[in-house]
Formats: sequence, C-alpha cells, structure tokens
Amino acid sequence: AQSVSQHNHHVILSEAASLELGCNYSYGGTVNLFWYVQYPGQHLQLLLKYFSGDPLVKGIKGFEAEFIKSKFSFNLRKPSVQWSDTAEYFCAVKGSGGSYIPTFGRGTSLIVHP
Amino acid sequence: GAGVSQSPRYKVTKRGQDVALRCDPISGHVSLYWYRQALGQGPEFLTYFNYEAQQDKSGLPNDRFSAERPEGSISTLTIQRTEQRDSAMYRCASSFNQEGYGYTFGSGTRLTVV
Repeated sequence: AQSVSQHNHHVILSEAASLELGCNYSYGGTVNLFWYVQYPGQHLQLLLKYFSGDPLVKGIKGFEAEFIKSKFSFNLRKPSVQWSDTAEYFCAVKGSGGSYIPTFGRGTSLIVHP
Repeated sequence: GAGVSQSPRYKVTKRGQDVALRCDPISGHVSLYWYRQALGQGPEFLTYFNYEAQQDKSGLPNDRFSAERPEGSISTLTIQRTEQRDSAMYRCASSFNQEGYGYTFGSGTRLTVV
C-alpha cells in the first residue's frame, strides 16, 4: 500500500522568506508524485508533478520540487514566498505501474505574513 | 465543460436523510474519482470509475455509500441515512486516462449533517 507523510502541518513565514515543505512517501515500486495547492475558498489545483526524467521539477508560480528516490522524498521549495502563497499544500503519490489512485498527505497550512 | 463541476456546492441535511452529490467531469475524461476530505486532513479515496465501470470501491466507508456513473460521464455519489460523521467536503476528480494524465479536481461539495 502507498502512503504519504507531510511533517509540517502548519508553517508561518514572512514575505521573501524561503520555503521548504517536506513530503515522504512509502511505496514499493515506481511512483508518480504530485503537489497540489488549495487557496482559501478555492479548489485543489496542481502545482507540479513528477512522472519520470529530471528529478528536479519546476511548477507554476516559482515552485519546484526535487524527487530523491533514496530518501523517498519529494520536498516542495520556493526561494522567496509571497503573501499570495498563503494556502494549504498537499503532496500525493501514485504507483505508476499499479494502482492509479493518488494517495494524499494530510496537508500543510502555509501562512505568509506581509 | 472547461473544468470538473460538482453540485451542489453546499448541502445541509438532517440526520437520517439521503443525499445525492453530483460530479460532471471534464468532457472526454475516462476516469473519475471520488474523495472525502475532513477538516484538517488530506483527501481520502472513496471510489473510482473508468468509463461507466466502477473499478475500485474499497474506500467507501460502509454500505450507506454508493456511487454510479451509468453513461460514463456524470457520476452520482449517494449517501443513505446520513449521520453527523458523514459531514465533510466531498471532492470529485477526473483524468484523461487511467494513468492519471490531466488529473483535475472539482470545487467540491461541503456536506453538513445536522
């Protein structure tokens, strides 16, 4: 079975600070990895995804994530956050060769102070 | 349509009543997924369809929950004899193919059982 762990449940930063949100997964095979964002009052949107190839993935709005297979991690990063990045962030994993159903972490709530 | 559409956006129902939640996926999307998201948690898988066939319903919590997608497009999630613990955000997602390409969420239905 696949599972996802997001260690930071609540993160508070000031504008221009750097961001790194942790995501570790458990799955015995090849994986597809995702980060989703949910802005206040809006629905889940895809930030970025990893299927194969370059383990450093760049997404929208200046976000990036690095897949480190040896650490079973897919941490999300942004060099300089903005107030508008205040949102809930969800990491998800899907086995590429088996189950087609993404499993989500419990989410990290990010608050950015102006 | 342009996105995944769910209705109603909000539903308040009395305990013991039946509710039907509707999901209209992106046109042409083969796969459709239902999730439930409790406050402060990530989306939890309920069931999914490829075309009209229900592929996996292992996430449905009990037999009061059922889902159908009779013509391979619109899907309905039905909860019979609702209980307060059923209160949550119910999310639908669809994807272009079984591998999850173009995976997109709807805005969700907030169900409150009083």
